[in-house]
Amino acid sequence: DTEVTQTPKHLVMGMTNKKSLKCEQHMGHRAMYWYKQKAKKPPELMFVYSYEKLSINESVPSRFSPECPNSSLLNLHLHALQPEDSALYLCASSRTSSNQPQHFGDGTRLSIL
Amino acid sequence: GQQVMQIPQYQHVQEGEDFTTYCNSSTTLSNIQWYKQRPGGHPVFLIQLVKSGEVKKQKRLTFQFGEAKKNSSLHITATQTTDVGTYFCEDPDSWGKLQFGAGTQVVVTP
Repeated sequence: DTEVTQTPKHLVMGMTNKKSLKCEQHMGHRAMYWYKQKAKKPPELMFVYSYEKLSINESVPSRFSPECPNSSLLNLHLHALQPEDSALYLCASSRTSSNQPQHFGDGTRLSIL
Repeated sequence: GQQVMQIPQYQHVQEGEDFTTYCNSSTTLSNIQWYKQRPGGHPVFLIQLVKSGEVKKQKRLTFQFGEAKKNSSLHITATQTTDVGTYFCEDPDSWGKLQFGAGTQVVVTP
C-alpha cells in the first residue's frame, strides 16, 4: 500500500482533451513531485513543489501545467497532449526537498490517442 | 551534473545465487539513494547512504558507499523470486533527467 494516492490510475485521452491528474498525501510532507516514466526507463523529474511553491520546472512543455492547492494536494493539468506524452506519471512526496527519501504513488498510466 | 552510471542494465540470476549492481559517478556525491521498482509498480525507497565507506544491511541486501563517495553498490545474497524488479540508484543533488541511474533490471529464474 502506498501513502501517496494518485487518481485516476488509467487515463485515455485525445489530443484535444483537457484532463487533470491528482495526487494526495497526508504524511505532512512539504515537497511534492511529478515524474514521467517511459517503459524500461528511469523516472524523469518534471516539477518540484516546496512548501506549495513551484521550485523546479525541468523545461516541461506548457501543455503540462502543475498546481499545488495546499500542502497535501498536487495536480497536473493536461491540455493538447501529443502521442509521445503517453507514459506513466508518478507523483512523489518527501519531508522536504533537500536529500530526503521520496514516497511514490502508484502512478497514472496515460495514453494519448 | 552528470547522470550516475549503473551497471549492469540487465541481470539474470538463478534463485539462490548472489549478485551485485553498481552505481558510479564522475563527481563526488553528497549522498546516494536506492529504490526498487517491481514490474507494473512504482519506485519504493530502500536506503540512503551518506557517509564515506558506509555499509548498511537490510536482510539479504547489503548497500555500500565508496570511500571517495563516487560509487555505490547493492549486493543481494541468496536471490529469491521476490527480488525481481528494477533497482535504481539516485543522486538527489542532480535534479531532472540526470537524477536516477538507468537501473538494473533483475530477472530471477527458479
